[in-house]
Amino acid sequence: AIRITQSPSSLSASTGDRVTITCRASQGISSYLAWYQQKPGKAPKLLIYAASTLQSGVPSRFSGSGSGTDFTLTISCLQSEDFATYYCQQYYSYPQTFGQGTKVEIK
Amino acid sequence: EVQLVESGGGLVQPGGSLRLSCAASGFTFSSYWMSWVRQAPGKGLEWVANIKQDGSEKYYVDSVKGRFTISRDNAKNSLYLQMNSLRAEDTAVYYCARDSSPRYCTNGVCYKGGWFDPWGQGTLVTVSS
Repeated sequence: AIRITQSPSSLSASTGDRVTITCRASQGISSYLAWYQQKPGKAPKLLIYAASTLQSGVPSRFSGSGSGTDFTLTISCLQSEDFATYYCQQYYSYPQTFGQGTKVEIK
Repeated sequence: EVQLVESGGGLVQPGGSLRLSCAASGFTFSSYWMSWVRQAPGKGLEWVANIKQDGSEKYYVDSVKGRFTISRDNAKNSLYLQMNSLRAEDTAVYYCARDSSPRYCTNGVCYKGGWFDPWGQGTLVTVSS
């Protein structure tokens, strides 16, 4: 199975900060990577697919980049509603696997 | 509005069985692959299984092969997960999700894999004596 290493596992930031989360795949996955946001007690919500395509309705402060093995999720100006846990997921090969998550907390 | 609603979770003893259901609405259910994804308490996400539109292809994560069976009833807009020989490590919230598979098709060949959107609210399965 393709292993996805996500970093950091947690971070503290303030409203208005620029935040970057990275995912590294154990082998090349082209651009077959998605990003999700999960708030406590809620289901994950798709933010980005195909590494950089913003899902409809997702604010433009979210962006994704990367291909091959290294990927980045950037939140350009952190808002209060963005405090959550973020996961990346590869869908290049089965089993489809997720990173271990990054919890974004209020500083 | 696209909606997925899971049901059927609960407390079951090790070695027991449970059947989860997912009712879909707001989209043409028969046109999409569907997946089950689980999340153990306080842990990350794990894809469990998926099924093609007509049920002709099914895939599972190794840890549930031979114990879990995914199925669907397009006439009822419903997805199911039959879970047998349950273990403590199967304890999790189980989400159904619409699956965007396949990721790519060319020359009549489709390559499996996709992202998940939307997700249901989840149903908790607890395996404990």
